[in-house]
Amino acid sequence: GQQLNQSPQSMFIQEGEDVSMNCTSSSIFNTWLWYKQDPGEGPVLLIALYKAGELTSNGRLTAQFGITRKDSFLNISASIPSDVGIYFCAGAGSARQLTFGSGTQLTVLP
Amino acid sequence: DTGVSQNPRHKITKRGQNVTFRCDPISEHNRLYWYRQTLGQGPEFLTYFQNEAQLEKSRLLSDRFSAERPKGSFSTLEIQRTEQGDSAMYLCASSYGLAYGYTFGSGTRLTVV
Repeated sequence: GQQLNQSPQSMFIQEGEDVSMNCTSSSIFNTWLWYKQDPGEGPVLLIALYKAGELTSNGRLTAQFGITRKDSFLNISASIPSDVGIYFCAGAGSARQLTFGSGTQLTVLP
Repeated sequence: DTGVSQNPRHKITKRGQNVTFRCDPISEHNRLYWYRQTLGQGPEFLTYFQNEAQLEKSRLLSDRFSAERPKGSFSTLEIQRTEQGDSAMYLCASSYGLAYGYTFGSGTRLTVV
C-alpha cells in the first residue's frame, strides 16, 4: 500500500491566495515529484526534485525536497482558476517505481 | 509526438469477462509503466518494462493480470476473469532512461458490473 501522507486532503481558497501542501513519508526517497491531475486525465508532472534541501520553482509553483529526505512541500502563489485539480506528491527510492500520496483536491473560488 | 496514448478510454465489462488495454508510449522512450488508480487515491504501481523485458511487478499484479511489451514498443495489459474490485483507472506512463518524471497517458477507465 501507499506510504506517503499528503495534507491537506482538500482546500478551498480565493483566487489570488497562496496555497501550501505537503507530503511526509516513513521511508527515505531519492527523488520527490509533484503532479497535477485533471478529471479524466493522467497526472502531469509539475516539478521534480533530485537532491535533499533542493528548492525548485516552475512559474508560480515552488517545491522543496526536505533535508531528511522524508518530506516535501509544494507552494502555489497567486492562485488562478486553472489551478483547480488534484495535486499528488510522489517519491522514488532505489527502484524505478513511484509511490504516490493520496492527493490534495484544490478548489479556487472566484 | 502525440504523447502516451491509451485505448480504449473507457471499458465496461461484465464480471468474469477478460479485458485487454493497449498503451502506445512516446516513441523514443524505452521504459514503460502501468499504474492503477482507484477513486480518491493516488496511482499505485503495477509493473514496468525496459524495452521488451518486464523488470518489476507489484504484489497488486495477481495471476489474473498479465502485461506484455512484445517488441519494446506498445504494451498490453490483460485482466482475466474480471472482478468488481478491478474497477479502476489504468494508467500507462513512459520515460527515457532513468528519468523519473515520466509522462502519463490519459488512462483507461474500467468498470466491472
